[in-house]
Amino acid sequence: GIQVEQSPPDLILQEGANSTLRCNFSDSVNNLQWFHQNPWGQLINLFYIPSGTKQNGRLSATTVATERYSLLYISSSQTTDSGVYFCAVGEAMDSSYKLIFGSGTRLLVRP
Amino acid sequence: DADVTQTPRNRITKTGKRIMLECSQTKGHDRMYWYRQDPGLGLRLIYYSFDVKDINKGEISDGYSVSRQAQAKFSLSLESAIPNQTALYFCATSDLARGYGYTFGSGTRLTVV
Repeated sequence: GIQVEQSPPDLILQEGANSTLRCNFSDSVNNLQWFHQNPWGQLINLFYIPSGTKQNGRLSATTVATERYSLLYISSSQTTDSGVYFCAVGEAMDSSYKLIFGSGTRLLVRP
Repeated sequence: DADVTQTPRNRITKTGKRIMLECSQTKGHDRMYWYRQDPGLGLRLIYYSFDVKDINKGEISDGYSVSRQAQAKFSLSLESAIPNQTALYFCATSDLARGYGYTFGSGTRLTVV
């Protein structure tokens, strides 16, 4: 099955800094989503982005499907950005839309 | 009210007991999913359903069963709970045909002692 690798596994930032999180996947996808899991365990959908670029406030994401990677950019980080960021993909030939998750990037933003 | 509601939020149960986790949604999505998260790991798919008549196994379905009682309700059962089923369980819905990504419930923290 498809493999999803996220990097870095852990990241510590000072408030106000920018960061880039990376997601590599091993096969063609029809579905790629980024999620934020906050310290209370809630999973929030940040982006549905199988290709192209999207922006939402201080967050933006780019997926280059032909090169099998996606990037999540966090600008002017805030302490509330802390938590775990997951990338998840769906295989191109699979119509179920089920997602395969990476192991996540754990982000800590210090005040 | 939340779009995807899971009950209970927390549960402690004994080994060998049967337990049901419930999920209901108000988003009108056809597809529903149950995932499990273990500490420090990503989520793994247990079961998924396209509609009321369609149930499919995920990568870790052994020891679990599901029921899709209605479009809006999808429950997960542990027939005989064991300690290594201690985890955080998430229900999710999706409607990618209309461009909507997953919406997750708040999770059920299950401890099997």
